[in-house]
Amino acid sequence: DGGITQSPKYLFRKEGQNVTLSCEQNLNHDAMYWYRQDPGQGLRLIYYSQIVNDFQKGDIAEGYSVSREKKESFPLTVTSAQKNPTAFYLCASRTWDGLYGYTFGSGTRLTVV
Amino acid sequence: AQSVAQPEDQVNVAEGNPLTVKCTYSVSGNPYLFWYVQYPNRGLQFLLKYITGDNLVKGSYGFEAEFNKSQTSFHLKKPSALVSDSALYFCAVRDRGGSNYKLTFGKGTLLTVNP
Repeated sequence: DGGITQSPKYLFRKEGQNVTLSCEQNLNHDAMYWYRQDPGQGLRLIYYSQIVNDFQKGDIAEGYSVSREKKESFPLTVTSAQKNPTAFYLCASRTWDGLYGYTFGSGTRLTVV
Repeated sequence: AQSVAQPEDQVNVAEGNPLTVKCTYSVSGNPYLFWYVQYPNRGLQFLLKYITGDNLVKGSYGFEAEFNKSQTSFHLKKPSALVSDSALYFCAVRDRGGSNYKLTFGKGTLLTVNP
């Protein structure tokens, strides 16, 4: 079945560490997105990519980095510069025309220990 | 700029009663509108969308929504609520004429259906 796979489901990070969250899709979607979800704040856009080797900052990009070397993959690195990284992270993708909205992965819960 | 408002953080209904989750939007042109549902520790699942045509849109699990252009609203409804409908619901919009196809999401409404 086609879909988006996020891994790991749970991730623990020590202070000062960089961690990378994986997002892989086999839907042949062109665009991919990373969102951060905190209680009561809805979804906030971190980065998005509309084509391979190109990506743009979203509303809260500071302390995060991404790459898009393959159409299927859009990993997110949470760097030590992100001061409050504990959150639920969601990856999404869409078709070229966006008429069907986004397809979401099942999320990664990151906790700083 | 585009925006979405979900005026209620929480909605509580009794099982078997009708439910409504409210959404209003703002776009410079014509909207594409979406509803998503999220269960705990899961991603968002698509419920329904309005692109064009009939203002009453039917979606998954018996949900429907009515597009009202004059009131810039897209409220989610269900005639008879189930306990299993309890979840977090998000409304989303994008401008049909936009070039980057980005969706803007509301902050979500937590629906609780009481037995």
